[in-house]
Amino acid sequence: AQSVTQLGSHVSVSEGALVLLRCNYSSSVPPYLFWYVQYPNQGLQLLLKYTTGATLVKGINGFEAEFKKSETSFHLTKPSAHMSDAAEYFCAVTGGGSNYKLTFGKGTLLTVNP
Amino acid sequence: ETGVTQSPTHLIKTRGQQVTLRCSSQSGHNTVSWYQQALGQGPQFIFQYYREEENGRGNFPPRFSGLQFPNYSSELNVNALELDDSALYLCASSPSLGRDTGELFFGEGSRLTVL
Repeated sequence: AQSVTQLGSHVSVSEGALVLLRCNYSSSVPPYLFWYVQYPNQGLQLLLKYTTGATLVKGINGFEAEFKKSETSFHLTKPSAHMSDAAEYFCAVTGGGSNYKLTFGKGTLLTVNP
Repeated sequence: ETGVTQSPTHLIKTRGQQVTLRCSSQSGHNTVSWYQQALGQGPQFIFQYYREEENGRGNFPPRFSGLQFPNYSSELNVNALELDDSALYLCASSPSLGRDTGELFFGEGSRLTVL
């Protein structure tokens, strides 16, 4: 079974400050990990993914995440927040087996203050 | 390239009624998954369809059912609606079954309110 814990349901930063959104996972198989972003009244958009290989993954809009197996973590970072980054962010892990099931965390709402 | 489209975008039903939600997958994608996102929660996996057959189901009762058509579009049906069924229902398509496809493409969702 897989599970995801996102630490902090709400994170608030100032424009230009570092963004750090935390995600810890549990998986009985080697995990594939994802971060999705959801803007108000919209569906989910993939920010970045880790499957295999390099553990530091770069995504869209300047975001990146690092897979740390020893810490079972996949935290999302961005060096400098922009107002347009305000949204809900979801970390997700794949299930095992042949069906492509994503298990999501509960989400972290990011607000960016001017 | 047309993305994932869902209809209707919003609907209101009363307890005990039935609802059908529709999804057109992205061009070239043969796999469709449905997720339920309750207010303030992350999406939860309902089921997945691959080449018109159900291929995996989450922890949802049998009154949640689905179909996939030869053109890979899909329907989600919910019978005997309950108040807790109020949620955003998300459809997602992918080009194949395996984990290494790496990405699901989501529609904007159908927001269901049950009164």
